[in-house]
Amino acid sequence: KQEVTQIPAALSVPEGENLVLNCSFTDSAIYNLQWFRQDPGKGLTSLLLIQSSQREQTSGRLNASLDKSSGRSTLYIAASQPGDSATYLCAVEYGNKLVFGAGTILRVKS
Amino acid sequence: SAVISQKPSRDICQRGTSLTIQCQVDSQVTMMFWYRQQPGQSLTLIATANQGSEATYESGFVIDKFPISRPNLTFSTLTVSNMSPEDSSIYLCSVDGPGQGGYSGYTFGSGTRLTVV
Repeated sequence: KQEVTQIPAALSVPEGENLVLNCSFTDSAIYNLQWFRQDPGKGLTSLLLIQSSQREQTSGRLNASLDKSSGRSTLYIAASQPGDSATYLCAVEYGNKLVFGAGTILRVKS
Repeated sequence: SAVISQKPSRDICQRGTSLTIQCQVDSQVTMMFWYRQQPGQSLTLIATANQGSEATYESGFVIDKFPISRPNLTFSTLTVSNMSPEDSSIYLCSVDGPGQGGYSGYTFGSGTRLTVV
């Protein structure tokens, strides 16, 4: 069964901290891995896409890495800001189907 | 990436009734996907909709409960039929599009927050 796990489930940090969100998946035969952000009651905003042949992607203060062999991805957020407060979802693509983790709820305190 | 317009954004419905959710994409796409997000849960794929063929449903979801239409390459609807309070969720449509400048992964609509009373 294809399962995606995200750790931690929730995280509260002071503004300015660097932080790491973790995602692990049981089936390493992935197409791609995508990180999303979801604000309360809203849809999903794509943050980073890592294709299966890539090891990492960067966008601004965000950096995501992928290690298919160990079934892991990490999302690194540098210099966190209160506006980063949201739920972060990891989604692994298997043949046109996204399997989502349960998410990490992030709160950045000012 | 593609831009998806989803409506309604929210609705409160009586049990036993049906609600149709619409998604319009600003470019032609082969497949459209419908997801459900129950309160406090992550997203679960309901079905994949291809133009000109019947939708493919995931385990636990059936066409009688969630009929889907896909009349053309830019539009799809999901109907939630004979609703009960357990259907209260956020429903989202998604596409896997190339986007400008290369492949950009999946894009999601803004979601429909459904409350069944």
